[in-house]
Parts: sequence; C-alpha cells; structure tokens
Amino acid sequence: GAVVSQHPSRVICKSGTSVKIECRSLDFQATTMFWYRQFPKQSLMLMATSNEGSKATYEQGVEKDKFLINHASLTLSTLTVTSAHPEDSSFYICSAGTVAGELFFGEGSRLTVL
Amino acid sequence: AQTVTQSQPEMSVQEAETVTLSCTYDTSESDYYLFWYKQPPSRQMILVIRQEAYKQQNATENRFSVNFQKAAKSFSLKISDSQLGDAAMYFCAYRSPPHRYGQNFVFGPGTRLSVLP
Repeated sequence: GAVVSQHPSRVICKSGTSVKIECRSLDFQATTMFWYRQFPKQSLMLMATSNEGSKATYEQGVEKDKFLINHASLTLSTLTVTSAHPEDSSFYICSAGTVAGELFFGEGSRLTVL
Repeated sequence: AQTVTQSQPEMSVQEAETVTLSCTYDTSESDYYLFWYKQPPSRQMILVIRQEAYKQQNATENRFSVNFQKAAKSFSLKISDSQLGDAAMYFCAYRSPPHRYGQNFVFGPGTRLSVLP
C-alpha cells in the first residue's frame, strides 16, 4: 500500500513551547490529509482536514490557533501545536487519502508536554 | 451524521481458531465504503480490508473476510487461522463518497483482540 511518513515519532517539550509534526506521502500525491488525535484506549478523533493550497477545515471544538495546519505541497502537511500545555499531550496521527479512496496512516507522533 | 458502532470492546481467540468482530453503522447514503483497520501495539494504523457498498460480493484478503449485510447495515470481520500477530485494536470505519464529503472517515470505538497461544 501507499506510504505515509510522520515525523517525529516522539517529542517531549516544555510547557509554552511550540512543536511541529510533519506528515509526508512518500509515493503518491495527497490533495487531502487528515490529522487525528488519539487518547489512550480510545478511537481516533478527527481534528482537521488539510487541503493542499487552502486553509484547513477544523472540527468543532478544535482550536485553529492552537493547532496550526499547513499543507504547502501535495506531499507534505504539518501540524504545529503552539504554546503547548500538558493537556495537549497525546498521540497525533496523520493520514492521506488515495485516488482509490483508501486512507493510509503515518506512524503517529507521541507528544509529551512537561 | 454517520455513526459506526463496535459492540465488543474486547475479544479473545485461541491461536489457529476463527474469530468474528462485529460492526454496525448508520447512514442514509446508498453509496459508501467500509473498512477495517488494525492498530497493533506500535500504534501504526494498517488497512486490513475494504468493501464498496455497491458490491454484493464480500471482500476477502487472505485470512481476513467480511460479512457485509447492507440492509442490516452490518459489516463484520472474520479472521481465520488466528495468529499471534493478529493481536491488536481493530477499528471499523465508514467513508462517504468523495464527491459528497471529501474523504473523511468515521471510525468506530474499536475492539481489542487478544490471541491466546
């Protein structure tokens, strides 16, 4: 299947700092990428839909100024957690859709905010 | 809005045996896609199998097969000859046709499958 790479896999930061997570589709072009957050033992919660060349669409309750999403190219979307706080600690997963309608996921990024 | 339900939070199966994971969904659409994803301890989401709603034939991928009952809005996953590596969280997912809702997926709450040696 298609390959989606997410980096970094783990990041620890101090409260108040910003963290950037990258999501790349390695062997296909993704006009749309999705960012999810997953709490322990729970399902994936969609945070936002990232569209290449346009503003991201955020789900209700997700602060767009807190979670900045940029989709500058057909193979790269970035999620920046600004002024991170301990409650932002979580597992973040990106995904990209193919023309065939399948969704492939990155490896996920575990963010720990001290 | 579409919803996906997985009524079994946890399941266990003996190695080499067969297990069926349940999934039901609610939608008013007639054209859609259904998926099963596996999330092992590594947390990497892996596509297991997909089914297009317009296809009557149940999808099969090696030891994995589905029982798709469109009228009942049911989409169960059968794992045959279970292996230790099948132990994971399994998510059922629904996707609307892209021309209507982009490619957003709706995920069920998941079923944790344990495989006993």
